[in-house]
Order: sequence, then structure tokens, then C-alpha cells
Amino acid sequence: EPEVTQTPSHQVTQMGQEVILRCVPISNHLYFYWYRQILGQKVEFLVSFYNNEISEKSEIFDDQFSVERPDGSNFTLKIRSTKLEDSAMYFCASSGNSRSYTFGSGTRLTVV
Amino acid sequence: AQSVTQLDSQVPVFEEAPVELRCNYSSSVSVYLFWYVQYPNQGLQLLLKYLSGSTLVESINGFEAEFNKSQTSFHLRKPSVHISDTAEYFCAVTGVNAGNMLTFGGGTRLMVKP
Repeated sequence: EPEVTQTPSHQVTQMGQEVILRCVPISNHLYFYWYRQILGQKVEFLVSFYNNEISEKSEIFDDQFSVERPDGSNFTLKIRSTKLEDSAMYFCASSGNSRSYTFGSGTRLTVV
Repeated sequence: AQSVTQLDSQVPVFEEAPVELRCNYSSSVSVYLFWYVQYPNQGLQLLLKYLSGSTLVESINGFEAEFNKSQTSFHLRKPSVHISDTAEYFCAVTGVNAGNMLTFGGGTRLMVKP
């Protein structure tokens, strides 16, 4: 069964540093997403991406965040200057026309 | 815009007992509905989904959910739970247009006791 792959599984970074979280969506999917889950809280939408541009973003997704599809397979989330409150599990997801949203296993980001 | 409410943050239940996890949604447009399960320290796995057709949908491991449009609900049920069902369960909703984001409820922690 096709999978969404995320790397790394765990990233520790110092406050103020830039981090890039990487995702390989399912190859024939057209829509890509990033979500985050702060420990013990709900899963929150960050951004959706289609046709090489952001299609929707939440108020969480401020100027510190950016997304990119640098080649035909990767989809990245960059946090320019991390804050303690950015510590969370970040999930990448992709979907196609069948409306099946497939999630990766997540990257746990710890900002110290 | 949509929103999802899961009324129970935790549901303790004994093994082999039935369980119902409640989910209510609000939306101004037609929706698709999903249940995801998250085992400890793992990602989100799709349990079942309602897109159209029969309002009762089932998963391969004995869970079922019924879409009730008049009550705007999509409750998850299982007639007999196992210890291995212990996990966090998230209800989610999206609009029917392709590419719409999923909106999640706050989650319900199902704790199955022996």
C-alpha cells in the first residue's frame, strides 16, 4: 500500500534556528498538506498545496513558515526561526481525487 | 468553514464491552466524514470514511460509524472492544471539493481495561 514518508522522525533544534521537515507524498496524489499536533492537543491544519502553490493556509501559518515542492517527489515545510511553541508533531498528508487522505508517521520537532 | 466536536475526551471501557465515541460536526456545505486512529507514538491511520451512499460505514477491524445528516453526527461504535483498541480516535470533516483540508475534532482517548 502506498505510503507518505516523512523525515526525520525526530528533530531537536535550538530556538531561533531554521528547520526543514521533509515529506514524500504518494506519487499520484495532487494535493499536499501539513498539519501539526502539539502534545496532548488536537491535530491542526497548517497549509495545503496544489499545482505548485499554496491553496489554503491557517492563521498558524505565519511568515515564519514556508512550503516548497523542490522537485517532483519532495514536499517540505520550513520554519525560519523556531520558537519554543513550535515544538509539536508535524504531519504531512496527501490526497487524490478519491478523497483518501494519507498521513505520514510524523516528525516530532523539539525546540530547546 | 467546518468544525468538529468530540464530546468525550476520554472513554474508559472494559474489554469485550460495547463502545460509542461521539462526533458532531457543523458545516455550511456538504461534507465528507472520517475517523482516524492514533496509537501511542504513531501517526494517523484512516479507520473509515463516509463519502456517499450508505450512511453506515464499516472498518475491517469491527468499527462502524453512521452518518446522520439531520443530527449532524458521525458516531463511531464497536460492539465488543479489545485491549488493542486502546488509542486516540479523531473525527474529521472536509468539504466535498477536491483539495479541501481536513478539520479535526479534539480527539477521544479510548482506554480499554481488562
